[in-house]
Amino acid sequence: SQKIEQNSEALNIQEGKTATLTCNYTNYSPAYLQWYRQDPGRGPVFLLLIRENEKEKRKERLKVTFDTTLKQSLFHITASQPADSATYLCALKRSYNTDKLIFGTGTRLQVFP
Amino acid sequence: SQTIHQWPATLVQPVGSPLSLECTVEGTSNPNLYWYRQAAGRGLQLLFYSVGIGQISSEVPQNLSASRPQDRQFILSSKKLLLSDSGFYLCAWSIRGGNTIYFGEGSWLTVV
Repeated sequence: SQKIEQNSEALNIQEGKTATLTCNYTNYSPAYLQWYRQDPGRGPVFLLLIRENEKEKRKERLKVTFDTTLKQSLFHITASQPADSATYLCALKRSYNTDKLIFGTGTRLQVFP
Repeated sequence: SQTIHQWPATLVQPVGSPLSLECTVEGTSNPNLYWYRQAAGRGLQLLFYSVGIGQISSEVPQNLSASRPQDRQFILSSKKLLLSDSGFYLCAWSIRGGNTIYFGEGSWLTVV
């Protein structure tokens, strides 16, 4: 069956450092992959989408890579700030002919001063 | 601009009682609508998916049902709640054929 894996352990880093989160998937050949941010008690908010023919995508301090051979995406936050503390979710469409998104369990990031 | 609202935000219900969570989307037409559940410490689980009025796809067998009486209205229901129904319920929408899903504020359900 299709599976999306994110590190369930929280990632704790110091302010100013680069945070790197990992998303691995199996039994998928997605056309693209998305990253969302979720704050406690809130719904997820879309951050970035990267397509299968894109190796890297950037948005301000965020960078996403997509390796379809390794079946992995990396999500980087450079110059991290305490306000970046949240849970980050990766998501894939189940198949090309559906609009349904399947989410990973998310990785909680804690940035401390 | 498009907005999505769901209510109530929080509710505590006894086992065996009924449930109704409501969600409406404004500023768009013919959206795809979704109900997700997020149990404590777990990921988002897709419960129901709708591409139009009266068209509901159930993703997992469960004690819940969904209805879409109007184009931009999505309702999650249960006739008799179980303890295992507790969780954070999220309504969401997307443009037909679109890539991004937009979530509501969520509803916390505690079944006691």
